Amino acid sequence: NAGVTQTPKFQVLKTGQSMTLQCAQDMNHNSMYWYRQDPGMGLRLIYYSASEGTTDKGEVPNGYNVSRLNKREFSLRLESAAPSQTSVYFCASSPGLAGGLEQFFGPGTRLTVL
Amino acid sequence: QKEVEQNSGPLSVPEGAIASLNCTYSDRGSQSFFWYRQYSGKSPELIMFIYSNGDKEDGRFTAQLNKASQYVSLLIRDSQPSDSATYLCAVNILFNDMRFGAGTRLTVKP
Repeated sequence: NAGVTQTPKFQVLKTGQSMTLQCAQDMNHNSMYWYRQDPGMGLRLIYYSASEGTTDKGEVPNGYNVSRLNKREFSLRLESAAPSQTSVYFCASSPGLAGGLEQFFGPGTRLTVL
Repeated sequence: QKEVEQNSGPLSVPEGAIASLNCTYSDRGSQSFFWYRQYSGKSPELIMFIYSNGDKEDGRFTAQLNKASQYVSLLIRDSQPSDSATYLCAVNILFNDMRFGAGTRLTVKP
């Protein structure tokens, strides 16, 4: 099992460009999450999806959109990138439907917006 | 006040000592508590979870939870250089909404 995979690993964008971060899990988990991690800030939840077809905002959703394409895949889209979105982005999955269980993390995407 | 607070450290202990990591949280309704370890440049990985008041032991690791004081801690016994990492406290505040502390960086010196 690959667990949680993310693409790309690194990306450099110019301000105003758009891009989609891809995430997939092969553990048949119900819930999936997108976090960003900034120095000194810990992980902050951007969006989550408790099941296919449902998405909910987390702590810092502004500037992002998500799609739960199917049970395996959960993508994060930046429509118009800003330097403040420079960060490391982690996707995670969890077996539960309503939280409260361990989350498994992907390797991360390091994004720089110039 | 942040929802989850940790001492940022760095915390330095000699090899073989006990490392004590602390975390406080603000939401009294929180039910699930997690400790993750994150090596530099890597993704977080679960060390322990705890749901009930008291102690939970797993090998060299012990998690302690006190819901009345809104406090959760992680003890690492017989610390090894390989334990050197950042430790993240996470609290499930509501359904799928997980909040993380900023992390405590631990260095174990040989």
